[in-house]
Amino acid sequence: GAVVSQHPSRVICKSGTSVKIECRSLDFQATTMFWYRQFPKKSLMLMATSNEGSKATYEQGVEKDKFLINHASLTLSTLTVTSAHPEDSSFYICSARPPGQLNYGYTFGSGTRLTVV
Amino acid sequence: KQEVTQIPAALSVPEGENLVLNCSFTDSAIYNLQWFRQDPGKGLTSLLLIQSSQREQTSGRLNASLDKSSGRSTLYIAASQPGDSATYLCAAGDGSARQLTFGSGTQLTVLP
Repeated sequence: GAVVSQHPSRVICKSGTSVKIECRSLDFQATTMFWYRQFPKKSLMLMATSNEGSKATYEQGVEKDKFLINHASLTLSTLTVTSAHPEDSSFYICSARPPGQLNYGYTFGSGTRLTVV
Repeated sequence: KQEVTQIPAALSVPEGENLVLNCSFTDSAIYNLQWFRQDPGKGLTSLLLIQSSQREQTSGRLNASLDKSSGRSTLYIAASQPGDSATYLCAAGDGSARQLTFGSGTQLTVLP
């Protein structure tokens, strides 16, 4: 149980274009999902908390207008990298946990490797 | 602000060895601590979750311990295999059990 699916796994886009990444909870409803960014050989940095039906909560230093998050349903959160630039190239990964299951570990998606050329 | 450190950053061992990976955290008011495995270019696979009230958890050849008072957790891997080669990440769950703070990982290579 508690499977999180992320799509696409890899994407290459031109500078200035926008890219959408999807994160789905397959067998549970997730009122909250988390988006992380990982640089090569570095730790995962929390970017934002996606809240179903309300605005996302962004971490300090993360540009809200650059990284648009939409959590329109209980099983889907999307991260859109707008007007992408080469410095946005990174590994993006989402996570979620069945609601109310505080003793349950977080489940992560398989990640998306974004390359902006 | 919670900070999580993992030592060593990289480790190479021959097959069959028992090994210990270390994780330390600065704020002992954690809800839980979770160990993950990450293969190159892949997502995270949860290995073990230790609640703040627990001292250790075991799964197969893996054993994770937690000492909140000293701000430390260890992941013990018995009889290592080449298939264990991966990056191992620890993450501390905050008091509200909502946010994870990750260490930078230990890259493990088990040589055949």
